[in-house]
Amino acid sequence: GESVGLHLPTLSVQEGDNSIINCAYSNSASDYFIWYKQESGKGPQFIIDIRSNMDKRQGQRVTVLLNKTVKHLSLQIAATQPGDSAVYFCAENEAQKLVFGQGTRLTINP
Amino acid sequence: DGGITQSPKYLFRKEGQNVTLSCEQNLNHDAMYWYRQDPGQGLRLIYYSQIVNDFQKGDIAEGYSVSREKKESFPLTVTSAQKNPTAFYLCACRDRGIQPQHFGDGTRLSIL
Repeated sequence: GESVGLHLPTLSVQEGDNSIINCAYSNSASDYFIWYKQESGKGPQFIIDIRSNMDKRQGQRVTVLLNKTVKHLSLQIAATQPGDSAVYFCAENEAQKLVFGQGTRLTINP
Repeated sequence: DGGITQSPKYLFRKEGQNVTLSCEQNLNHDAMYWYRQDPGQGLRLIYYSQIVNDFQKGDIAEGYSVSREKKESFPLTVTSAQKNPTAFYLCACRDRGIQPQHFGDGTRLSIL
C-alpha cells in the first residue's frame, strides 16, 4: 500500500513487548490531546484521548500519560501485536482545531 | 452504519484543471475539516467549518476552496492555483464540545 510517511521516526519492538511512543507538544494552553493510529492508505483512527486536567488515562491495552510540566505526551501499548504496526500521531487541541505531530512508525518484529 | 465517506479514493488532475474532492458524513456532526498529508509529515489543516454556511482558512488554504451548504457535506476544490497538489487529502468531522475528530479514508490526488 501507499506509504504514509517516508522519513518518520521509527520504533521497532518485539511482538509481545510493550511499546512506548513519545510526543512533545508546543502549546501550554492546549486543553485536550488525542492519539491516532494510521495504517497505510487509510485515514487516522482514534485510539485514546486525555484532557489537560488528567495525567493518565487507560484504555484497552493502551495508556496515555500527560506531563504538562515538560509538555510531553506518551502512548503505551501493552503486549504489542502485529496488528499494531502503523504510524501513530499525537494531536493537541487549540481553539477547536487539532495540531498534529509528525508521527512515529511502529514496526513489530516477530 | 454511521461514518464519514470520502470519494474518489484516487484522483488525477491535469495541468490547469480544478478538481473537487467529496466528503460526506452521516454522524450529524457540526464541524468538518480538510487536511493535507505529505510523506514524512503530519496532517496540515486546509479549511474547516464549524457550522453550515460558514468556514475558515486553515494553515495552508492557498489554492483551495470549500463550501458548506449542507451539514453532511464539505467538498474541497483543488484549484489550478495550487501548484503542488499531489498529496493524500483527509476529511474529518467532530461533534460539539471537546471531542475527537473522526476521519475518512482519504483521497490520493496525483498530477497527470
